[in-house]
Amino acid sequence: DTGVSQDPRHKITKRGQNVTFRCDPISEHNRLYWYRQTLGQGPEFLTYFQNEAQLEKSRLLSDRFSAERPKGSFSTLEIQRTEQGDSAMYLCASSSRTSGGTTQYFGPGTRLTVL
Amino acid sequence: QKEVEQDPGPLSVPEGAIVSLNCTYSNSAFQYFMWYRQYSRKGPELLMYTYSSGNKEDGRFTAQVDKSSKYISLFIRDSQPSDSATYLCALANAGGTSYGKLTFGQGTILTVHP
Repeated sequence: DTGVSQDPRHKITKRGQNVTFRCDPISEHNRLYWYRQTLGQGPEFLTYFQNEAQLEKSRLLSDRFSAERPKGSFSTLEIQRTEQGDSAMYLCASSSRTSGGTTQYFGPGTRLTVL
Repeated sequence: QKEVEQDPGPLSVPEGAIVSLNCTYSNSAFQYFMWYRQYSRKGPELLMYTYSSGNKEDGRFTAQVDKSSKYISLFIRDSQPSDSATYLCALANAGGTSYGKLTFGQGTILTVHP
């Protein structure tokens, strides 16, 4: 068990470009979550998946954001037409069926900087 | 008003001190209470998980939940420089489509100096 991994760890992009992040959860964890964290704040929920189904999306997730988990394993988060306000740490977490979903293990995050 | 309020600190204590970290919340639907530790530029690490009111102890850490007051605490005994980090409280609902969605406090920055 290698824990939750995220790729890339850092991404610098220009405003208006599209970016995609990947998250690999702990193997056999059926739930996967995306959060966003800005400097000096706690993580804010964006969306979560149970297996391949996206069950909830936050109002923070504008139509420029899309997340997928096509085979119920890894997930991708895409941001289209990035804006400077999108600069943040994007965190992925996973949890198992047996833990009931509330015991979440976080990855190291992807730090996005939009210039 | 935010659903979860946490004093951001920063908090600076000498090594060996007892540290008290606190959060208050407004939504009585929260039934699960967690504390995470986050080192600089790292992901949060789960420290403590509690479901009911009362105390839960794990080594030098004690989590306390008072549902009637909507108040949760984390105590760290014999604090060490390695405890220097940001501590985040996180709360979750008991069911429905929001089950498992964590609502975090702002985080408290703790520094333990030798």
